[in-house]
Amino acid sequence: AQSVSQHNHHVILSEAASLELGCNYSYGGTVNLFWYVQYPGQHLQLLLKYFSGDPLVKGIKGFEAEFIKSKFSFNLRKPSVQWSDTAEYFCAVRSGNTGKLIFGQGTTLQVKP
Amino acid sequence: NAGVTQTPKFQVLKTGQSMTLQCAQDMNHEYMSWYRQDPGMGLRLIHYSVGAGITDQGEVPNGYNVSRSTTEDFPLRLLSAAPSQTSVYFCASSYRETGVGEQYFGPGTRLTVT
Repeated sequence: AQSVSQHNHHVILSEAASLELGCNYSYGGTVNLFWYVQYPGQHLQLLLKYFSGDPLVKGIKGFEAEFIKSKFSFNLRKPSVQWSDTAEYFCAVRSGNTGKLIFGQGTTLQVKP
Repeated sequence: NAGVTQTPKFQVLKTGQSMTLQCAQDMNHEYMSWYRQDPGMGLRLIHYSVGAGITDQGEVPNGYNVSRSTTEDFPLRLLSAAPSQTSVYFCASSYRETGVGEQYFGPGTRLTVT
């Protein structure tokens, strides 16, 4: 069965620190990869997505992610976090032509001012 | 476009009651799905549909029914509510084909079962 694993459940950083959130998936075929963010009290918003091409994708608000096919990974990065980045982050994988999206458990990021 | 809409935003039920969570989208997406979000569990897929008249079970389908009579609507029915169904429910839609577009989420319904 397909699965998505996020290794960090709760991350606490100070402002200006660098961020890397891990995401690994188990599926051998063609995949689409996503990172979603959920700010407190809000619904999910798309940060970035990978369909094909350049494995380094840039999203909104200075986030980027790198798809490493050999490691089945799609880690999220940001060089310098801000207090406003405090949120929950979800990695998700879509495979096949059903549209079905499988999510990781989520990582709560707390940025201290 | 209104995107994905969900009603109600909040609901409190007593154990054993039934209710329907409504979801609609106006983007002509083939694929629609329901997730529940619980702390530490991420989003878990309850049911999904790849088109009108076609539905299938996700990871946690027990206690929920769905139907898809139109492209636009995908209601989720709780047949006999249980406290374990206390959660936040999200509806989502997208194009079916891999590599085409992203999945759009509704604002969520916060359900409490007492």
